[in-house]
Amino acid sequence: QITLKESGPTLVKTTQSLTLTCSVSGYSVDDVVMGVAWLRQPPGKALEWLALVYWNDDERLSPSLKSRLTIKKDSFKNQVVLTMTDMDPVDTATYFCARTLLENGLFDYWGQGTPVTVSS
Amino acid sequence: FMLIQPHSVSESPGKTVTISCTGSGDSITRNYVQWYQQRPGSVPTPLIYEDVRRPAGVPDRFSGSIDSSSNSASLTISGLKTEDDADYYCQSYDGTNPVFGGGTKLTVL
Repeated sequence: QITLKESGPTLVKTTQSLTLTCSVSGYSVDDVVMGVAWLRQPPGKALEWLALVYWNDDERLSPSLKSRLTIKKDSFKNQVVLTMTDMDPVDTATYFCARTLLENGLFDYWGQGTPVTVSS
Repeated sequence: FMLIQPHSVSESPGKTVTISCTGSGDSITRNYVQWYQQRPGSVPTPLIYEDVRRPAGVPDRFSGSIDSSSNSASLTISGLKTEDDADYYCQSYDGTNPVFGGGTKLTVL
């Protein structure tokens, strides 16, 4: 059974950094032609893709947020960690991690999401 | 490359509705299009992948198509049920990175 689970703080202050962890089970983050992505969804708004790391450590970052994002794969822990710096209230959202398949770009398994509120 | 969806659509139970996803800035046929359903308070779930395929367990009331002449993808839902009341997102790639449409709110009333 494949599951992804997000963890991290629910509240961060303005200008602080956010670090979220996606813990994967049921497959390995090193499995060929797969990747793990981070996405977010502000309350009442659309999904937004943030970052993606493939099995071969190829990393992709959203061009609009690239300067603030870091994504790292931890093969030993079977986790993917997202760091976003200089948080602002507009970054308040539910953050999801999801598995993606290189062959077609499908996000086939999603975590339940973790809500993050940014407040001064 | 952007994917543009109508903000909302509505239709009655039992009817058929089509949600469009128009590509802007590149050909929509360059990469596969996926569709996701997100019910209120829930996680997005795949409905259509590789333009037209349905994951196991998705009813055949849901179908996907591509129209290269209009540079758009479409999700068609037939025999509408009240449980189809949800947000629907199309997704593809710009060649390098994933791209999502802005989502369409389907109201079944």
